[in-house]
This record gives sequence, structure tokens and C-alpha cells, in this order.
Amino acid sequence: SQQGEEDPQALSIQEGENATMNCSYKTSINNLQWYRQNSGRGLVHLILIRSNEREKHSGRLRVTLDTSKKSSSLLITASRAADTASYFCATVPYGGATNKLIFGTGTLLAVQP
Amino acid sequence: GEEVAQTPKHLVRGEGQKAKLYCAPIKGHSYVFWYQQVLKNEFKFLISFQNENVFDETGMPKERFSAKCLPNSPCSLEIQATKLEDSAVYFCASSPTGRELFFGSGTQLSVL
Repeated sequence: SQQGEEDPQALSIQEGENATMNCSYKTSINNLQWYRQNSGRGLVHLILIRSNEREKHSGRLRVTLDTSKKSSSLLITASRAADTASYFCATVPYGGATNKLIFGTGTLLAVQP
Repeated sequence: GEEVAQTPKHLVRGEGQKAKLYCAPIKGHSYVFWYQQVLKNEFKFLISFQNENVFDETGMPKERFSAKCLPNSPCSLEIQATKLEDSAVYFCASSPTGRELFFGSGTQLSVL
């Protein structure tokens, strides 16, 4: 079963506005990552946050991680039409001999010009 | 190469036929992953490799699915006796560290 669930499932905003997506997961993790998928394409890695980090920035992206609540959020500031895509969180479970990423169900973001 | 190359882009098979998908990872990346995406939102992990060795195969339906990553050859994912439920987009990804993944554009498999 999926480790992560994202909220909302779909989000529509105007260009220039901020977009916030949330991700919840079930088990302890090594790290949490966010990926973007444009229609018909593969996933593009956006940012990785380790389990001992609380916040990370990359350009217009801000990611927070709350391990006590098993949740993360992705904030995209000053959105552009080109940000229209599906966004997925993914986690690597803590411990065990695996490196597999377990993906959430995704948030479909539409940025209206 | 600088990107993960997957072939073919589209593959159509009749139920019961064999399907073989290929993936050339980014040069220098030691890790290769295969994922299955059904219905545009759910990504299911199938298998991962470190070089030519299987690292984690817990997601593979072993009766019909097999995968290889041999030296100096593209990696491959093979489905024997395809079923309707195998229709999906199959993504390959590679990674230099096993952490951040670089994905190919996928192979759309349609089983009729």
C-alpha cells in the first residue's frame, strides 16, 4: 500500500499566488523527497529533506518536515503557468535493507495564467 | 548518456504475449529502479539494482515478471504472458547514490 497520502488531490490557483501541498506518511523514514510529473513525462526530483531536518529551501520551493506528525508540506511561491504538474512526495522507510522510494498519491496543481 | 533512456515509448501486446522493456541508465549511476504507474497517480515499486545485482525485489510479481541489469547492456524488464492488469506506464530510474532518482519518460504498455 502507499506510504504517503497527499492533500489536496487537486489545486487550482492564479499565476503569482502561492501553492501549498501536504503529505502524510505512516512509518519512520530516512528521508522524504518531492517530485514533479508533467503530463506524459517521468518524475523530476525537486528536493530531499532528511529526517533530522525541519525545513529546506530551493529557489521558489520550501519544504517542511514534522516527524512527530509524520507530515511534510511543499510550498511553491510566486507560481507560474509552467508549474502546472502533478506533485508527489516519496519516502524511504527507516531501517531495513531497502532503498525503495514509496510514493504518495499526488497533488494535481493547475496554475492559471 | 545524460538522461535515462527508455525504449520503446509504446508497446501493445495481446493478452498472453511477452513484453520486454529496456532502460539505459545515466552513465556512472550505480542504481537502477523500475516502477509501475497505473491510473496516473499510483507508483508501485517493482525492483532495484545496484550495478548488476538485485538490491530489492520485494515489489516484483515473480511468477511473470523478471528483470536484469547486465554489464555493457541496457537493463530490461520482461513480462511473460501479459495480463490486462499489466497495462500501465513502466518507469525506469537511475541514481548515483540510491537516494535522488532520475526518471526516464516511461514505456506505455497496453495489453489488449
